[in-house]
Amino acid sequence: NAGVTQTPKFQVLKTGQSMTLQCAQDMNHNSMYWYRQDPGMGLRLIYYSASEGTTDKGEVPNGYNVSRLNKREFSLRLESAAPSQTSVYFCASSGIPSGGPNTQYFGPGTRLTVL
Amino acid sequence: GDSVTQMEGPVTLSEEACLTINCTYTATGYPSLFWYVQYPGEGLQLLLKATKADDKGSNKGFEATYRKETTSFHLEKGSVQVSDSAVYFCALSGEKLTFGTGTRLTIIP
Repeated sequence: NAGVTQTPKFQVLKTGQSMTLQCAQDMNHNSMYWYRQDPGMGLRLIYYSASEGTTDKGEVPNGYNVSRLNKREFSLRLESAAPSQTSVYFCASSGIPSGGPNTQYFGPGTRLTVL
Repeated sequence: GDSVTQMEGPVTLSEEACLTINCTYTATGYPSLFWYVQYPGEGLQLLLKATKADDKGSNKGFEATYRKETTSFHLEKGSVQVSDSAVYFCALSGEKLTFGTGTRLTIIP
């Protein structure tokens, strides 16, 4: 039982490049989330998916797209990276029976630098 | 909207000292409250939670009590260890999970 896994762990991009961050969970959770973490700002929600086939914008969705590929996988795409997107990105999931719908489990994070 | 305000850090303590990290919240309804911990280079881990007023969450020697009258959920530990050095996040779940900005704790041997 690996929990929530993310790839890659580190990435450096040049401005304008694109990339996709991958996330997978093996807890059979319905809900999945993407956050970014910046110094002094805590975690901010980018997008979330309440169930397979649905996605919704969070607090800071601009510049990002997501795909809920199936129940296990939720990817985050940067179409044209900007230096303001330099951050640490976390994927999370939640659901029954692992603590209920409000208890989120986090992946190890992806450290992204955009030059 | 929902918001969480937690004690600004960084906080530095000596080993075996008592710890309190303050957390207050603003929310409509009756949210669940959480403390998450982030060790260096890792993701967030759930430390403890409380789902209703007067509930006490506890784990690894840490405790926090859901106080509706003061809208608070302060994190406490009686005797900290070097291994407790981490960033601690208070959070509440309304429609979504709302985090505080985090408090960095460093324990000196």
